[in-house]
Amino acid sequence: NAGVMQNPRHLVRRRGQEARLRCSPMKGHSHVYWYRQLPEEGLKFMVYLQKENIIDESGMPKERFSAEFPKEGPSILRIQQVVRGDSAAYFCASSPTLAGGHNEQFFGPGTRLTVL
Amino acid sequence: DQQVKQNSPSLSVQEGRISILNCDYTNSMFDYFLWYKKYPAEGPTFLISISSIKDKNEDGRFTVFLNKSAKHLSLHIVPSQPGDSAVYFCAASVGGSQGNLIFGKGTKLSVKP
Repeated sequence: NAGVMQNPRHLVRRRGQEARLRCSPMKGHSHVYWYRQLPEEGLKFMVYLQKENIIDESGMPKERFSAEFPKEGPSILRIQQVVRGDSAAYFCASSPTLAGGHNEQFFGPGTRLTVL
Repeated sequence: DQQVKQNSPSLSVQEGRISILNCDYTNSMFDYFLWYKKYPAEGPTFLISISSIKDKNEDGRFTVFLNKSAKHLSLHIVPSQPGDSAVYFCAASVGGSQGNLIFGKGTKLSVKP
């Protein structure tokens, strides 16, 4: 009954480096979502993926950010050439298959990215 | 533009009393609403949800009320306990194939013993 797992929990990068954040959804969940939380703010949606498909990336910055959810393995959020403004908490959530209705999203513990 | 608003950044309540957290929204297309609780350095934990076809949903000490005409929902916690102290986020979504949640900025609840 493992929940949503994210690693690393903390990540420090220097400006210009790449950051890779990983998320393993709950068992049986085929939908993955990434959110970003800046200090004193709510969570902001970034991207919604199913296995091998990006369903909605309307919240992703146009450049430097990408996400994937391969057939095997965790979902990856990749940030290239990080800048100080990328410092935030990044949360992954998963939900079971949508069946024309709604499902609660279950969140992981987050990855706190600090860009020096 | 903030589609989901939690206008009270903080709330302090005495143990045993009722906590009422409020949330307003602007998008009339929202048809599903959720409340999450978040402790520092942890991810949000799902608490309770409500569909727009209902005006109330209850789960133990937690009750969510929805007033569609006012585009307002509230979370009632009774009786409040010190362990309820956390940040509470209201979230909303649109039905169909859209899966993303729109979050408010949160209300920090402090329950004093």
